[in-house]
Amino acid sequence: DAGVIQSPRHEVTEMGQEVTLRCKPISGHNSLFWYRQTMMRGLELLIYFNNNVPIDDSGMPEDRFSAKMPNASFSTLKIQPSEPRDSAVYFCASSNRQGQSPLHFGNGTRLTVT
Amino acid sequence: EDQVTQSPEALRLQEGESSSLNCSYTVSGLRGLFWYRQDPGKGPEFLFTLYSAGEEKEKERLKATLTKKESFLHITAPKPEDSATYLCAVPLSGNTPLVFGKGTRLSVIA
Repeated sequence: DAGVIQSPRHEVTEMGQEVTLRCKPISGHNSLFWYRQTMMRGLELLIYFNNNVPIDDSGMPEDRFSAKMPNASFSTLKIQPSEPRDSAVYFCASSNRQGQSPLHFGNGTRLTVT
Repeated sequence: EDQVTQSPEALRLQEGESSSLNCSYTVSGLRGLFWYRQDPGKGPEFLFTLYSAGEEKEKERLKATLTKKESFLHITAPKPEDSATYLCAVPLSGNTPLVFGKGTRLSVIA
C-alpha cells in the first residue's frame, strides 16, 4: 500500500504566482480532505470531498483557493494568486468512511511564498 | 471557542519517566476521539480511536483512555523514539471531518 501521495514535497514561489498542489488518495477510499498546518493555528480543514463531490469548502480562506477532484484517484488544491500568508504545510488525507474512520495522511507539501 | 484543547503544549521527559498528555473536548454526543502521532516532516499517523467513556486502548508504551470530557495518552517508560507531536481529534457532529487540537510536542531525552 503506497499510502496517500502528495506532490511536490516542497514549493517555493513568489507572491502573485499560481501554485498547484497534488494528491493521490489511497485506492478504494471515497473521502478526501485537504488540511493546512501552521504553528499558530495547527491543523485546519480547508475542504473535503465524498465520492469526488465537494461537500464543504467553508474552510477555504479566500476565493484565491480552489480545489478539484476530477476522479477517485486525483485531487488538486490551487492558490492563485499566492500570498506570503499562505506559507504553511498542506496535507491531503483520505478515508473510506468520513467522520468515524481514521484519516490516512500524506507527508504534506511545504509551501513558502516570498 | 476551541472544541479540542491539548495540554501541555510541550513536554520534556527523561527516558523512563512516565507521564500523561491531556485532550479535552466540548462536543456533545461524541462519535469517536482519535489520537495521532506526527514526526517532523511527516503527516500525522493514526494511533487509536476511542468511542465511549471508560474505553482504553494500548500500543507498546502508549495507553489511551477516555472520559466524558477528556482523553489521556499515558506514556509508560518512554524512549527517545517516542519523541513526536501527539495530536487528538474529534468529529464535531455526525459524519463531519475531524477537528484537531494543536498537539503536544513530546521530547524524550536519553
